[in-house]
Amino acid sequence: DADVTQTPRNRITKTGKRIMLECSQTKGHDRMYWYRQDPGLGLRLIYYSFDVKDINKGEISDGYSVSRQAQAKFSLSLESAIPNQTALYFCATSDDSGVGTDTQYFGPGTRLTVL
Amino acid sequence: AQSVAQPEDQVNVAEGNPLTVKCTYSVSGNPYLFWYVQYPNRGLQFLLKYITGDNLVKGSYGFEAEFNKSQTSFHLKKPSALVSDSALYFCAVRDPMHNFNKFYFGSGTKLNVKP
Repeated sequence: DADVTQTPRNRITKTGKRIMLECSQTKGHDRMYWYRQDPGLGLRLIYYSFDVKDINKGEISDGYSVSRQAQAKFSLSLESAIPNQTALYFCATSDDSGVGTDTQYFGPGTRLTVL
Repeated sequence: AQSVAQPEDQVNVAEGNPLTVKCTYSVSGNPYLFWYVQYPNRGLQFLLKYITGDNLVKGSYGFEAEFNKSQTSFHLKKPSALVSDSALYFCAVRDPMHNFNKFYFGSGTKLNVKP
């Protein structure tokens, strides 16, 4: 969905390096999410944010941190990358239905390889 | 515990034949159920969702899904498959009784439609 963009699209880094993945959206949604996708495991939630002042941990937040710089921007950081963080990372947004019926809109993904 | 299962890693079907991609869920209350599709090098795209009401839900690209509470299933169907339907399909569930803010994704099913 072109309304949700992610940069970079591909990144190769080394163990121990700090890396930031960025997500921007023009949908005007308050809610933003970061997921990682691993083969055979589906998508797992890393962090989510309901507005600029609200950040929540997901299932697998260890080793990751996030920053919600504005309504439209949500960044994911790996403070010290390790090989098992090699994965496809997706950002998503949703509107604020408040009752779980909202649809999520995904960015194109960032393929991260940690050597 | 909430979870969703897609028992088939891959489904093969000939173009023009009906297709079914299976999904079962485990949620203590009444679930919100979603189907997403992922084309190569793209993010997930929303297909359809069941929140309440009619058990048969119609979505994008001619797809439909039937909510079956007794079998705890939400199988995705299409009467006549197209080669362009070949993609990775994800079922997802939300449990509004416990934490409607979280999606639980299945591991994905790769659909191959052959000419």
